[in-house]
Amino acid sequence: DTGVSQDPRHKITKRGQNVTFRCDPISEHNRLYWYRQTLGQGPEFLTYFQNEAQLEKSRLLSDRFSAERPKGSFSTLEIQRTEQGDSAMYLCASSQTLYEQYFGPGTRLTVT
Amino acid sequence: AQTVTQSQPEMSVQEAETVTLSCTYDTSENNYYLFWYKQPPSRQMILVIRQEAYKQQNATENRFSVNFQKAAKSFSLKISDSQLGDTAMYFCAVQYNTDKLIFGTGTRLQVFP
Repeated sequence: DTGVSQDPRHKITKRGQNVTFRCDPISEHNRLYWYRQTLGQGPEFLTYFQNEAQLEKSRLLSDRFSAERPKGSFSTLEIQRTEQGDSAMYLCASSQTLYEQYFGPGTRLTVT
Repeated sequence: AQTVTQSQPEMSVQEAETVTLSCTYDTSENNYYLFWYKQPPSRQMILVIRQEAYKQQNATENRFSVNFQKAAKSFSLKISDSQLGDTAMYFCAVQYNTDKLIFGTGTRLQVFP
């Protein structure tokens, strides 16, 4: 098992640009989660997929954010028209059972 | 609102000693799970220990154990025989009927030789 992987690990972008992050869950994990972690804070839930269905979205996920999980495998998180407040670590997690989430290394986004 | 509070931003302990990290939570739910996650510097989040709220017996994983007080809504983590590799941010988290984890703000633990 190779674990949850995320790409890229670091992204620096200028305000107003669009960015897309990818998450590859552990194989056969049908649940996939996105969290955002800002400096000095714990992760905050963004959205959750079971297979390809997006089942829950946080109110933190403004209309500039969109997430997909085509075919229930990898997932992408896109941020349009980035703002400085979007600077954070974006974490992906996957699980097979309801109560054990495995986290990836995260993508650190810096918006200049 | 369901919240998780970790009142100790930073803790330190000497190698081989015992340290306890505190966590309280606020909920009206009866069924939920509690977790402690470890996030080493520049490394990914790792599950340390899990506790089912319906179980009275406190969970134990090797040197890690919890003190779960359901009525008090308290869930502390005890690390025995601390090791240098235990240096990390520790997050307490709660999961209710939905799948999302609700995290506290974390406690930074430094283990000194």
